[in-house]
Amino acid sequence: KNEVEQSPQNLTAQEGEFITINCSYSVGISALHWLQQHPGGGIVSLFMLSSGKKKHGRLIATINIQEKHSSLHITASHPRDSAVYICAVRVGYGQNFVFGPGTRLSVLP
Amino acid sequence: GAVVSQHPSWVICKSGTSVKIECRSLDFQATTMFWYRQFPKQSLMLMATSNEGSKATYEQGVEKDKFLINHASLTLSTLTVTSAHPEDSSFYICSILAGGEETQYFGPGTRLLVL
Repeated sequence: KNEVEQSPQNLTAQEGEFITINCSYSVGISALHWLQQHPGGGIVSLFMLSSGKKKHGRLIATINIQEKHSSLHITASHPRDSAVYICAVRVGYGQNFVFGPGTRLSVLP
Repeated sequence: GAVVSQHPSWVICKSGTSVKIECRSLDFQATTMFWYRQFPKQSLMLMATSNEGSKATYEQGVEKDKFLINHASLTLSTLTVTSAHPEDSSFYICSILAGGEETQYFGPGTRLLVL
């Protein structure tokens, strides 16, 4: 069993739809990151969460430490949101990160 | 603007040659930098943690003599792929932790193709 799992693996949505990407992990963590990787390869850190919920523009990220689960929501999705979204957890209080397999999102106009 | 830069962005080389990739922290002093490798349609795999002024810490299965890491200053870490082979062809990415280690900034990546 992988330490970090994501679902769905691939997601196609119509512009304007509400999108949810899920991440579950099996190890003790001190933080969870949601990353966005565009087709060219560049990676942007969207959120760092250790508890609760964060919102930035149309993006919302939540984490439930007890259930070892996090979700990334995109409201009013747009074609420019098309990317791979990666969940990464910081194991314990070290500096090691474990990455999920990513969710490939395509938003169609 | 960019927080982390990498050079080169693309490199094509012959099998057996060595390739050096630079990772620079532009806005922060980074005592620690991370090196990742990403194969097509796969997620990032941590290769090593680069520590300024000391030896890098390599992940299991990553050969330290093949992937030489030098972190000589607080803003520069280099990864040298020695005697590159076609199976080393990959996307190599570095990152730093900043903002009280709360935010991870990634470099734009270096695509290596070994012929």
